[in-house]
Amino acid sequence: DAGVTQSPTHLIKTRGQQVTLRCSPKSGHDTVSWYQQALGQGPQFIFQYYEEEERQRGNFPDRFSGHQFPNYSSELNVNALLLGDSALYLCASSSTGGISTDTQYFGPGTRLTVL
Amino acid sequence: AQSVTQLGSHVSVSEGALVLLRCNYSSSVPPYLFWYVQYPNQGLQLLLKYTSAATLVKGINGFEAEFKKSETSFHLTKPSAHMSDAAEYFCAVVGSGGSYIPTFGRGTSLIVHP
Repeated sequence: DAGVTQSPTHLIKTRGQQVTLRCSPKSGHDTVSWYQQALGQGPQFIFQYYEEEERQRGNFPDRFSGHQFPNYSSELNVNALLLGDSALYLCASSSTGGISTDTQYFGPGTRLTVL
Repeated sequence: AQSVTQLGSHVSVSEGALVLLRCNYSSSVPPYLFWYVQYPNQGLQLLLKYTSAATLVKGINGFEAEFKKSETSFHLTKPSAHMSDAAEYFCAVVGSGGSYIPTFGRGTSLIVHP
């Protein structure tokens, strides 16, 4: 049983560019959450998708947007990249229908570097 | 807004010694509390979680944590450290102050000496 998978593993972009990160949830999971983890920091919640809709959102600007597909996989899009967007982006899935109190399973992350 | 404080960015112990990683949260209502472990270049793995049942929660790999409402604490312990326990540990809270957005602490790096 494959766990949460994310692609790509690493990505290098320049300021002002746009990036799309992808996540496939663990089999049987219907909810996907995205987190940003800056170096030396804990993960920060970006948003959560359930039933193809954004259900909750953290304190991130509109440059961060997402999408969930009918097969429950998800994309995170970041526009107009800033140097401060350099971080590890983590995807987590759960089978809780959008409830954040249940166990989340994390993927290995995508390391984004903005030059 | 809910918050989580992890005291000590680094904790160093000898192999076989007691591990104690501290976590305090801000809330007047008992929230849901989690401990995660992150090994280098990997995602987070759930160690244990508190959901208002027993105050002493047992997790994987011999770890346990005790919820103390009076101290707003949820410290993580393990009686005997193993070299393989060296990793980054994160405490997280959900449901504190009416917020169901997960909030993580800044993490504590556990160093285990032979």
